[in-house]
Amino acid sequence: QKEVEQNSGPLSVPEGAIASLNCTYSDRGSQSFFWYRQYSGKSPELIMSIYSNGDKEDGRFTAQLNKASQYVSLLIRDSQPSDSATYLCAAPFSGGYNKLIFGAGTRLAVHP
Amino acid sequence: SQTIHQWPATLVQPVGSPLSLECTVEGTSNPNLYWYRQAAGRGLQLLFYSVGIGQISSEVPQNLSASRPQDRQFILSSKKLLLSDSGFYLCAWSVAAREQYFGPGTRLTVT
Repeated sequence: QKEVEQNSGPLSVPEGAIASLNCTYSDRGSQSFFWYRQYSGKSPELIMSIYSNGDKEDGRFTAQLNKASQYVSLLIRDSQPSDSATYLCAAPFSGGYNKLIFGAGTRLAVHP
Repeated sequence: SQTIHQWPATLVQPVGSPLSLECTVEGTSNPNLYWYRQAAGRGLQLLFYSVGIGQISSEVPQNLSASRPQDRQFILSSKKLLLSDSGFYLCAWSVAAREQYFGPGTRLTVT
């Protein structure tokens, strides 16, 4: 069973702090990973894609991938109350079929 | 640019009634299309996916069905709704095995 695991949270951080969200996966064949943000009552929105080991930065967001340890993380710098949402990690199913396996999501709460 | 539409946005239906939800994608050809359901406070459950017209793969046996009559149209249906069918229904598209982009969703309440 291919799985993507996330801590459900809530992860509570003060405004301006760094929020660190983590994700582990069981499929060593996974080559790419995606982070989605989902506000309450809304659909998931893709915020980061990462395809190789190391860090990828986009504005206040940094995705980190460590294939040897099978984990991927998302750092949010200078967290804002508007970052409060559920963050979903996803990886392609390496058996093909063009599917993504989603984690259950981590709820982030940024308090002023 | 690509755009994905879903309608209706919200729907309240009685138990035993039929269902038809529609999803259309603009700005891309031959996309992979997906239907997910998200129960309140839960994760995404993949229901169906399609890699081409008339090609439907079902992930979870249930009283729902899907069809893809045109390249960029994906329809989710049921002949008789159950209370357990309530949830947030999301359509998504992708190209190959890459990131998926979601539509705005349909919130279905079965009463």
